[in-house]
Amino acid sequence: QKEVEQNSGPLSVPEGAIASLNCTYSDRVSQSFFWYRQYSGKSPELIMSIYSNGDKEDGRFTAQLNKASQYVSLLIRDSQPSDSATYLCAVNRDDYKLSFGAGTTVTVRA
Amino acid sequence: DVKVTQSSRYLVKRTGEKVFLECVQDMDHENMFWYRQDPGLGLRLIYFSYDVKMKEKGDIPEGYSVSREKKERFSLILESASTNQTSMYLCASSLPETDTQYFGPGTRLTVL
Repeated sequence: QKEVEQNSGPLSVPEGAIASLNCTYSDRVSQSFFWYRQYSGKSPELIMSIYSNGDKEDGRFTAQLNKASQYVSLLIRDSQPSDSATYLCAVNRDDYKLSFGAGTTVTVRA
Repeated sequence: DVKVTQSSRYLVKRTGEKVFLECVQDMDHENMFWYRQDPGLGLRLIYFSYDVKMKEKGDIPEGYSVSREKKERFSLILESASTNQTSMYLCASSLPETDTQYFGPGTRLTVL
């Protein structure tokens, strides 16, 4: 079983809609969770971090964490063409390392 | 702002060559990481360093070595490049009290 699994894409959403990305992880002791955005040909860029159960909002982005279900999600509200990218879920493991999911590619169509 | 830089954006090398990839960060971060990213496989950790001269193998260290002589600089070495090492190589750094990693722009290496 992969340590971090993301729903397979690509995910296509119309402009202005909500994009919903899901991620599950296998290590129950994980405490830190991250969402990175990666544009084609570029490196990952941190957009959200979350450490406690519940929701965390930052602009149009909302991260949701449920440690009991080992599940973390990212909602992108009012999706824009500039949100078209691959989104990587990352979960901490031992000694400051992160495990990354394979990513979900989002396409926002105008 | 955290700045992580990598020595080359694109690199083409021949099979058997020794290849050096350099990474420099300017935020006094203790932790530095080297990953490779391949389609469908995501980011895989090659090596990790938590202090000067300290290194630890990641998930796929075979065929690679690293050097960290100064805190700001972390080098990845391919002793004898092979075609299956063609990939995007990403360097990252973080502070020990957070797990937040900041990435450099990446080096796309092609081994012919």
